[in-house]
Amino acid sequence: GQNIDQPTEMTATEGAIVQINCTYQTSGFNGLFWYQQHAGEAPTFLSYNVLDGLEEKGRFSSFLSRSKGYSYLLLKELQMKDSASYLCAENAGKSTFGDGTTLTVKP
Amino acid sequence: EAEVAQSPRYKITEKSQAVAFWCDPISGHATLYWYRQILGQGPELLVQFQDESVVDDSQLPKDRFSAERLKGVDSTLKIQPAELGDSAMYLCASSPWGGSQSSGANVLTFGAGSRLTVL
Repeated sequence: GQNIDQPTEMTATEGAIVQINCTYQTSGFNGLFWYQQHAGEAPTFLSYNVLDGLEEKGRFSSFLSRSKGYSYLLLKELQMKDSASYLCAENAGKSTFGDGTTLTVKP
Repeated sequence: EAEVAQSPRYKITEKSQAVAFWCDPISGHATLYWYRQILGQGPELLVQFQDESVVDDSQLPKDRFSAERLKGVDSTLKIQPAELGDSAMYLCASSPWGGSQSSGANVLTFGAGSRLTVL
């Protein structure tokens, strides 16, 4: 997606921790979302950050630095079912998505 | 749990034919979005409705695509004529509110999508 950069692919081991980074360049920034999308399925909402700092939700956490135009999604205690694409999306009146990071969790 | 309904789930058509997709958002959601997602890419916004009005259709190829939400509830996206490059997943999403003045967590709930294959 335009103005949003995230790695194309990542691989991690079951039980490990993985960090997926996202950088964005946009005016009118009004929050950053992370969505999870399993192959062939629709995206589902994971997290939202509008202020700087870390938001924790169970095994998933998301961080935002507005001054750096940077966010990351942190996945702990990885499970096989976490294998999916993770989409970073910025909210500036409309939601603009990155191209997603395909995470493969290996046993 | 409330869902966004879409149909058909799968559509195979020949180029130059007409296709139509239908979406019924979550009840009470004022904002409805149509996204196109090509394999390996993120969703791209085609059109955004606030109630029955179009808020953003800047990326909609208007020579062949049209969208309507006549009563501000369900919506139809049409392609005529379809081209090979239109093969993609067409995702409908809704949110309680949106538009250029929105603030806060405008969380989108997506439907299961309509996968289009143009031969």
